[in-house]
Amino acid sequence: DVKVTQSSRYLVKRTGEKVFLECVQDMDHENMFWYRQDPGLGLRLIYFSYDVKMKEKGDIPEGYSVSREKKERFSLILESASTNQTSMYLCASSLLTGRNTEAFFGQGTRLTVV
Amino acid sequence: DQQVKQNSPSLSVQEGRISILNCDYTNSMFDYFLWYKKYPAEGPTFLISISSIKDKNEDGRFTVFLNKSAKHLSLHIVPSQPGDSAVYFCAAAMGSGGYQKVTFGTGTKLQVIP
Repeated sequence: DVKVTQSSRYLVKRTGEKVFLECVQDMDHENMFWYRQDPGLGLRLIYFSYDVKMKEKGDIPEGYSVSREKKERFSLILESASTNQTSMYLCASSLLTGRNTEAFFGQGTRLTVV
Repeated sequence: DQQVKQNSPSLSVQEGRISILNCDYTNSMFDYFLWYKKYPAEGPTFLISISSIKDKNEDGRFTVFLNKSAKHLSLHIVPSQPGDSAVYFCAAAMGSGGYQKVTFGTGTKLQVIP
């Protein structure tokens, strides 16, 4: 079974803090993604990566950065956390080869910025 | 601009009856569609998908219908079971090669009443 593991289920951070959200997958997937889920807005793509050290902006990259130094690990960084970044963050991975492959998601990190 | 819309935020259905979840999209470039299911405090899990070259795909109790001319797809669950109670996200993908850009809808919360 594919396993995507996010390092924390719940986080509470202060405004202005630098926040790291970590994600690890164990199925050698090339693609990795970070989404945020907000009520009434669904899942919105923040960043994705299709290879080590490669990254592409998603639909809402402002205020975020990412790092992918190893194939299995994809980190989301909030450079200076703000209250509007309070959300559920979801990491996902998928195969690169072929089309139409579904993504496998982690359990999510509920981040609260106070 | 919401390119993938799920206009019903919630739906209640009696156990044993049919659940019909609807999804509309605006971008004719989408050529692959997926449904994900999400329980509280868990990440979404893939449920079923359909390519734009088909109009129906069936997997057990789950059937997805695609009407390209109307830019509409629906998920039918027959018979509905209490364990189906969850939030269902519709997703639409476009692009070729290794990565497809996937856009998610806002979700429909299904409650199956025993």
